[in-house]
Amino acid sequence: GAGVSQSPSNKVTEKGKDVELRCDPISGHTALYWYRQSLGQGLEFLIYFQGNSAPDKSGLPSDRFSAERTGGSVSTLTIQRTQQEDSAVYLCASSLGQYNEKLFFGSGTQLSVL
Amino acid sequence: AQSVAQPEDQVNVAEGNPLTVKCTYSVSGNPYLFWYVQYPNRGLQFLLKYITGDNLVKGSYGFEAEFNKSQTSFHLKKPSALVSDSALYFCAVRDSSYKLIFGSGTRLLVRP
Repeated sequence: GAGVSQSPSNKVTEKGKDVELRCDPISGHTALYWYRQSLGQGLEFLIYFQGNSAPDKSGLPSDRFSAERTGGSVSTLTIQRTQQEDSAVYLCASSLGQYNEKLFFGSGTQLSVL
Repeated sequence: AQSVAQPEDQVNVAEGNPLTVKCTYSVSGNPYLFWYVQYPNRGLQFLLKYITGDNLVKGSYGFEAEFNKSQTSFHLKKPSALVSDSALYFCAVRDSSYKLIFGSGTRLLVRP
């Protein structure tokens, strides 16, 4: 596709369940980012992948959060044992490379933990 | 650590009037600064960036931003606001590991 694609667009889950959020970046983009946007809050950095380098995981809020990027393309963000405070919009973005700061964002996944 | 602050949660302006959305930054070394916009029900979009050079940077949709090193500010401006400019605006800074750190966002409301 032409843009960054995220799925699902909405996810409702019960507290304690695991969830997986998917991101398909723009083809050829080597940098991929995950951010979280909570109601009334700004964009919170979660994790950053650049090419084959080790990801920057410095923004992951707890060990319940993990992410992987297979083949330098698709990325999956996994949240284990979800909590109500995990409810937010999870945004994925990609860019051409490490030195290109023009990020292209997906529409996000709205996660609601009941 | 690099950071940006947006001191206003919301800015209200009448259509046709100039608008300013404020951003201040804290960086070690040369700042790389950005503005992004999030229109209702749409994804975040890049507006403009400052890397080096002229302190006044022009971007999309008639927006511009003024870099002020002495005041560590990077305010977003537009000479004449449109109702369609109503959106959520984010200032961002690139940190030493090349990821972008975003501010808390400012909601701009342009009334007819």
